Formats: sequence, structure tokens, C-alpha cells
Amino acid sequence: SQTIHQWPATLVQPVGSPLSLECTVEGTSNPNLYWYRQAAGRGLQLLFYSVGIGQISSEVPQNLSASRPQDRQFILSSKKLLLSDSGFYLCAWGQSGSPLHFGNGTRLTVT
Amino acid sequence: GESVGLHLPTLSVQEGDNSIINCAYSNSASDYFIWYKQESGKGPQFIIDIRSNMDKRQGQRVTVLLNKTVKHLSLQIAATQPGDSAVYFCAGYSGTYKYIFGTGTRLKVLA
Repeated sequence: SQTIHQWPATLVQPVGSPLSLECTVEGTSNPNLYWYRQAAGRGLQLLFYSVGIGQISSEVPQNLSASRPQDRQFILSSKKLLLSDSGFYLCAWGQSGSPLHFGNGTRLTVT
Repeated sequence: GESVGLHLPTLSVQEGDNSIINCAYSNSASDYFIWYKQESGKGPQFIIDIRSNMDKRQGQRVTVLLNKTVKHLSLQIAATQPGDSAVYFCAGYSGTYKYIFGTGTRLKVLA
């Protein structure tokens, strides 16, 4: 069966520090991979998605970036965090026209 | 721009009653819809989906209705239980790898 792993579960980082969140998927090949951000009590905002190794589509201009170095690995990064980067970050995988499957998220607090 | 939104931010239901959560979408090209349940601190969990060639689909205690004429879908939960308390999201997919999520409805089950 397919599983998705996301870590860390919680993270507290100072403003200006770098960020690296990792997501890996097991049990499937060539998945579409997604990063969403969720502000407290709000919906899900699509940040990035990837349909293959090295392919990244960005949905929202910001100081975040994403990379897909391997088929089932998706990384969200920032060189310098802003206060506004605080939120709940969710990784998901799916195949086109099928449900997305989410990880349990990373709660990021930028102080 | 395209959007998928929810009519009510909070729904309080007596235990044992039926719950109905509504969602409107704006993109006529959306041809696949998904309902998710999100518990506090966790990622969204798939509940049920429906394709645009259907107007109703049933699962265990849940039913999704799709009205393409008015671009509306709903999630019905029968005999609501305390464990159903969560935030519910609808999402629409239009074939461009992107899943657009609504803002969510919080369901509170009253004992």
C-alpha cells in the first residue's frame, strides 16, 4: 500500500533562517506531488506541484522554493524565512483525476 | 479566478441527526470532486469522490450530491457521531494537475 511521510511534525525557526521540509512517498511510481499551506482556520493554498523529477510548477510568488530530486521525494525550502511563512504545510501525492493523499503536515512557527 | 467555496463556516448538529455540508464551485471545467475530513493537527483524509458524469454517490454513512446546473455539491452524513466532528473540505479538479480546495466547514457534533 502507498504511504506518505512528512517531517518534521513541528518546527520553530527564527526569522531569516533557512527552511527545509521533506516529503517522501512509498508504494507508487511517478506520482504527482504537491505542497499546500494552510493558515490557522483557513483552507488549503497550493504552493507547488510536480509531475516528474526536476519538474516544478509554482502557484504563488513567494520566498519559498521546491525541488524534486528523486521520483518520490519532494522538498520545500526557503533561504530566509519571514514571519508570514508560519503555517501548516502539507505534502500530498496523487495521480491525475484521483484523490490526493496527504501527509500529516508540518506545523511551522517563525519567531 | 476559479474557486471552490463553502456556504457555512460552522455547522452544529445533534448527535444522531443527519449533517449536510454544502460547497459551490465556479469553474465549469471541473469534472471531478472530492470531499475531505480534517481533524485537528492532521492532514486531510479522503472521504468520498464523484465525477461529473454522476449526480449522486454513496459510501458508508456518506452521500455526495452533485448539481452541475448550479455548480453545487453537498456532503450528507447520516446519523452523525461525535467522531465526525472535524473540518470538511471540498476540492475540485479540472484536468490541469491542480486541485482547488474550498475554505472548509467545521462540523460540531453536540451530545
